[in-house]
Amino acid sequence: GENVEQHPSTLSVQEGDSAVIKCTYSDSASNYFPWYKQELGKGPQLIIDIRSNVGEKKDQRIAVTLNKTAKHFSLHITETQPEDSAVYFCAAPWTASKLTFGTGTRLQVTL
Amino acid sequence: SQTIHQWPATLVQPVGSPLSLECTVEGTSNPNLYWYRQAAGRGLQLLFYSVGIGQISSEVPQNLSASRPQDRQFILSSKKLLLSDSGFYLCAWSIGRLRAEGYTFGSGTRLTVV
Repeated sequence: GENVEQHPSTLSVQEGDSAVIKCTYSDSASNYFPWYKQELGKGPQLIIDIRSNVGEKKDQRIAVTLNKTAKHFSLHITETQPEDSAVYFCAAPWTASKLTFGTGTRLQVTL
Repeated sequence: SQTIHQWPATLVQPVGSPLSLECTVEGTSNPNLYWYRQAAGRGLQLLFYSVGIGQISSEVPQNLSASRPQDRQFILSSKKLLLSDSGFYLCAWSIGRLRAEGYTFGSGTRLTVV
């Protein structure tokens, strides 16, 4: 099955700086990579995803890049704001009907 | 549009008592359904998933069970709760049998076993 590793586990940045979270996966057949944001006391919410036929996808201040050769994908958040503070999870398909999630990154945006 | 409902939001139960958490999805048919548990400050542990009525797969041996009595209803149960069952329980759904995409999570149930 798929194994997803996520780094770092915690990340602190100043407001306005950029944040980057990286994930690696093991199954070269994986073709879909979502990112979730979980605010305190809430369920994770899908914020962006990428399929294996593209190398980069952007939505306003967030972007995801995919390197299929190296089997890693990254979340980039630019111009960070306090409301970006949350736990972020990457994921990859485990089987046809399941995702496997990374261990999460706690992002703290300080003023 | 599709929505997922999960209740209750919080629950405090004594050790040895039964548990029933319910999750329903609206606006779609034949969804994949999932139960996850999240310990404090930890990642997402898949407990059960279902690709159809009466079809339940268990990912880890535990004190819990799941049932899917209707297409869009997923229930997590226990006959006797343990202290270790405390955690944040999340229900999720996704489209299709062959696509592990677009997971949508419910708002979660915080269970404290005392």
